[in-house]
Amino acid sequence: GAGVSQTPSNKVTEKGKYVELRCDPISGHTALYWYRQSLGQGPEFLIYFQGTGAADDSGLPNDRFFAVRPEGSVSTLKIQRTERGDSAVYLCASSLGFGTDTQYFGPGTRLTVL
Amino acid sequence: RKEVEQDPGPFNVPEGATVAFNCTYSNSASQSFFWYRQDCRKEPKLLMSVYSSGNEDGRFTAQLNRASQYISLLIRDSKLSDSATYLCVVFDTGRRALTFGSGTRLQVQP
Repeated sequence: GAGVSQTPSNKVTEKGKYVELRCDPISGHTALYWYRQSLGQGPEFLIYFQGTGAADDSGLPNDRFFAVRPEGSVSTLKIQRTERGDSAVYLCASSLGFGTDTQYFGPGTRLTVL
Repeated sequence: RKEVEQDPGPFNVPEGATVAFNCTYSNSASQSFFWYRQDCRKEPKLLMSVYSSGNEDGRFTAQLNRASQYISLLIRDSKLSDSATYLCVVFDTGRRALTFGSGTRLQVQP
């Protein structure tokens, strides 16, 4: 069956620009997570949705980052005024419920800020 | 100090070798533990969960020591296809998200 999909797969932007990254979770999965992975590091938690609401956004690095999931399915991670330090792979994961249910990851969006 | 610490490697081993990875975690309240595998430029994929009683899946054996806050992964009879980065992962019930180590890179050589 279809897994988690993310678009675009690659995004190159200039410093100061606005970007949106999209995640389509596995159908029926209520929990959705965003992580960020820098080179040589493991993924780091950004934000978690249970349904439409952001249950925990404590991992967002600052107020330039924002994420929505208006209908409880697709989610968009939005980054304003991008900085070179935002360059990383942004991974989305979904799970059937929250808690210890297995999280399935999408292929990620590789963001490069020039 | 990182919440989950791993030796980054790389571990270079010949085919057929047995290799062990270790990991320590700092949050004593953590309740669930996993090993994920990540191939180069790919997403992480769950390899196996880790239990205090130890669990085995084919050539892979995982073990958890709660008292020492220590997790291990043993790979027997290494295959070329085992070459990847192995991520030690802890589930934080407070945050309800996964906390990853930086990963240990394994290169199995012919």
